Amino acid sequence: DAKTTQPPSMDCAEGRAANLPCNHSTISGNEYVYWYRQIHSQGPQYIIHGLKNNETNEMASLIITEDRKSSTLILPHATLRDTAVYYCIVRAFNAGNMLTFGGGTRLMVKP
Amino acid sequence: DVKVTQSSRYLVKRTGEKVFLECVQDMDHENMFWYRQDPGLGLRLIYFSYDVKMKEKGDIPEGYSVSREKKERFSLILESASTNQTSMYLCASSLSGQQQETQYFGPGTRLLVL
Repeated sequence: DAKTTQPPSMDCAEGRAANLPCNHSTISGNEYVYWYRQIHSQGPQYIIHGLKNNETNEMASLIITEDRKSSTLILPHATLRDTAVYYCIVRAFNAGNMLTFGGGTRLMVKP
Repeated sequence: DVKVTQSSRYLVKRTGEKVFLECVQDMDHENMFWYRQDPGLGLRLIYFSYDVKMKEKGDIPEGYSVSREKKERFSLILESASTNQTSMYLCASSLSGQQQETQYFGPGTRLLVL
């Protein structure tokens, strides 16, 4: 799986959009971009994934650049409950069934 | 919604004890996984199973075994717990044959071995 680079921490004001960047310059054509988050002392939670088109669901939006070398997870109206570590992962189909989390970005939503 | 449950949120055991961690998923997923998560080391795969009675070793299977007698249940066994097995244990499941293979996680079991 391709390596990803994320800032170690970010702050966001409650109610504002949180934009979390991820660099994956070595991504291959068959690799998807996944985002998970982990709230303190809980299991990771799947957020969203995409291949090359922008994606949106009830939790977030995922914007992938045209060259696919970077992406941004957008939480449109951050709440205090969105405070968590956010992990960006790139992985291919049938990539040994294993998920590998890097350091992630610790997002702190402040009132 | 996918629901993955784990038998305990917190567990304290003594060195040498046999420890059972149970995981149950209610979405008829074929694949189930056991990870441990440690500060600075991220998520590491211990074992996974892609079908009943089938198991595959992950990156760090030493000191662990698993059991998958029913599709919905995947158990992790520490035959003789040691202090270096103090960790957060996470179970996950996913649907087989799906191109994206999204994994859904349980809440985790924080195990302390004294």
